[in-house]
Amino acid sequence: EVQLVESGGGLVQPGGSLKLSCAASGFNFSVSAIHWVRQASGKGLEWVGRIRSKANSYVTAYAASVKGRFTISRDDSKNTAYLQMNSLKSEDTALYYCTRLRATGYMDVWGKGTTVTVSS
Amino acid sequence: QSALTQPPSASGSPGQSVTISCTGTSSDVGGYNYVSWYQQHPGKAPKLMIYEVTKRPSGVPDRFSGSKSGNTASLTVSGLQAEDEADYYCSSYAGSNNLVFGTGTKVTVL
Repeated sequence: EVQLVESGGGLVQPGGSLKLSCAASGFNFSVSAIHWVRQASGKGLEWVGRIRSKANSYVTAYAASVKGRFTISRDDSKNTAYLQMNSLKSEDTALYYCTRLRATGYMDVWGKGTTVTVSS
Repeated sequence: QSALTQPPSASGSPGQSVTISCTGTSSDVGGYNYVSWYQQHPGKAPKLMIYEVTKRPSGVPDRFSGSKSGNTASLTVSGLQAEDEADYYCSSYAGSNNLVFGTGTKVTVL
């Protein structure tokens, strides 16, 4: 079965850090671009960032709202992508999804998400 | 990158059709045929319904169809059913391998 499973969410204080994981199975993870998308409670989807495959030099890109604070990485030997979040703010509170992006810009596999709450 | 504009809500009776618009710019929707649509039921992850403007993934009913004209894409749900009640989001490639989502539309089946 093709799937993505996020983990690592939790409660963190403002200014703190958290690292999310995205474990893949059922497909060739190493050739796939992985994106992170978040959704605050009752709000819409917000693209966070992405990491391309080794063939595309693991190039990353980020939304302006997280650039300089979040870092996406991957370990193809573990079929896992990561989202390192530093200097967290209350507005980063959301459900974080990882998703597979296909070549023509659509996301066909989504995890169930992991919740991040930034609060004192 | 600004979010694509969708109407906050849309509704129709069972069996009727509803169309949701998604308006962007020439840098996203208008510049590429890479618009996709996602359905999200409460408490669930988004599900791909349409990709590359008009294509349906396997398993998506043919009641769902997509189109595009200029900087505006549209999703039409024909023959509305109760299970179609959900939030719908459009998304578009926006250059440099970046993506932008729409603001979302809540579809209500009356």
